[in-house]
Amino acid sequence: NAGVTQTPKFQVLKTGQSMTLQCAQDMNHEYMSWYRQDPGMGLRLIHYSVGAGITDQGEVPNGYNVSRSTTEDFPLRLLSAAPSQTSVYFCASSYWQGVTNTEAFFGQGTRLTVV
Amino acid sequence: ILNVEQSPQSLHVQEGDSTNFTCSFPSSNFYALHWYRWETAKSPEALFVMTLNGDEKKKGRISATLNTKEGYSYLYIKGSQPEDSATYLCAFLDQTGANNLFFGTGTRLTVIP
Repeated sequence: NAGVTQTPKFQVLKTGQSMTLQCAQDMNHEYMSWYRQDPGMGLRLIHYSVGAGITDQGEVPNGYNVSRSTTEDFPLRLLSAAPSQTSVYFCASSYWQGVTNTEAFFGQGTRLTVV
Repeated sequence: ILNVEQSPQSLHVQEGDSTNFTCSFPSSNFYALHWYRWETAKSPEALFVMTLNGDEKKKGRISATLNTKEGYSYLYIKGSQPEDSATYLCAFLDQTGANNLFFGTGTRLTVIP
């Protein structure tokens, strides 16, 4: 059981470039989300999805797009990379029971540097 | 944006010591409180999901309590071991919105052999 698979693990981008961070889960979870981790700050929610075809913005959505065409995949797109997007990104998934989530399962993280 | 605070930010203890840390969260609109263990170069892994006031959970030497009325949770580690060294995150799940988790900044525990 692979759980949550996130790629790539490391990436260096030049300012203005675009890229897609991939996230896939094999647990049939309805809920998927993307967080960024910056020094001195907690995990901050970028975007989330409660099912295929449904996405919404989190706390820090600017500069990022997401889509959810299947239950398994939830890619995060950086439209035009900026140095402020240098961070560690985590994808997470969980069951979504409509009232409370069960625990979240995290991918291994992507360390992104924008120069 | 909900304010979830953890204290202390970091902690160094000797092997064998017992320790505890605090997570404070809004006492209104409570749904659940999560604790995660995050080792360096790995991804966070769930320790506990707590939903009821007065909940107490235990996993080996680690336990947690929950007070939803006053908005805090304690995580206890009994007889700390070097392998307990990690960052411990708490996350608050509120009943408004889409059940998103709001994370604290974590407590970084170092256990000295």
